[in-house]
Amino acid sequence: EVQLLESGGGLVQPGGSLRLSCAASGLTFSTYAMTWVRQAPGKGLEWVSALSPSGDYTSYADSVKGRFTTSRDNSKNTVYLQMNSLRVDDTALYYCANQDTSGKWLYFNHWGQGTQVTVSS
Amino acid sequence: QSALTQPASVSGSPGQSITISCTGTSSDVGAYNHVSWYQQNPGKAPQLMIYEVTNRPSGVSNRFSASKSGNTASLTISGLQAEDEADYYCSSYTTSSTLVFGGGTKLTVL
Repeated sequence: EVQLLESGGGLVQPGGSLRLSCAASGLTFSTYAMTWVRQAPGKGLEWVSALSPSGDYTSYADSVKGRFTTSRDNSKNTVYLQMNSLRVDDTALYYCANQDTSGKWLYFNHWGQGTQVTVSS
Repeated sequence: QSALTQPASVSGSPGQSITISCTGTSSDVGAYNHVSWYQQNPGKAPQLMIYEVTNRPSGVSNRFSASKSGNTASLTISGLQAEDEADYYCSSYTTSSTLVFGGGTKLTVL
């Protein structure tokens, strides 16, 4: 059974940084693309970023481009989201997710339970 | 990267059918057959209900069906049940190699 477990969320001031982690199990991690999706309180889902299996290809939503960076350590079965220059509107529950087809990130069969990020002074 | 357009809410009585629309553009919904639908219950992570426009993952009831015409995709739930009450989101891959979600639709079973 695939399990995704996010961590690293918390309270941070505007302009600050935070690094989220997502530890995966139950899959051959190095063959799957990984994605981050967020959901602001009471709002809808927003795709944030995607990362190829080897980590050499990334894609970002315009709202986070230049501020967020996603990376992975396949030896640790973990994907990261480095968030810099955080803004109040980055406040959200951050999910990691993946598609159960090697290398693809067109839809998401597996989701973590999310980690909460709150940006406030 | 504007969100896909969904109705904010839909409702139906048990046993009825409802349809949720998801309107995008020729750069997302209309460009590829990479439209998917998710169900989200309160406090829970989303669950994939439909992928690649019409396909159901194993374990998803065949009461859920979907289609696409031009820039608009649709999710239909037939034989509505109380357990179907949830938020539903569509998503689509885009020509910019990004993904975009719809704003979400709250389904109320009357």
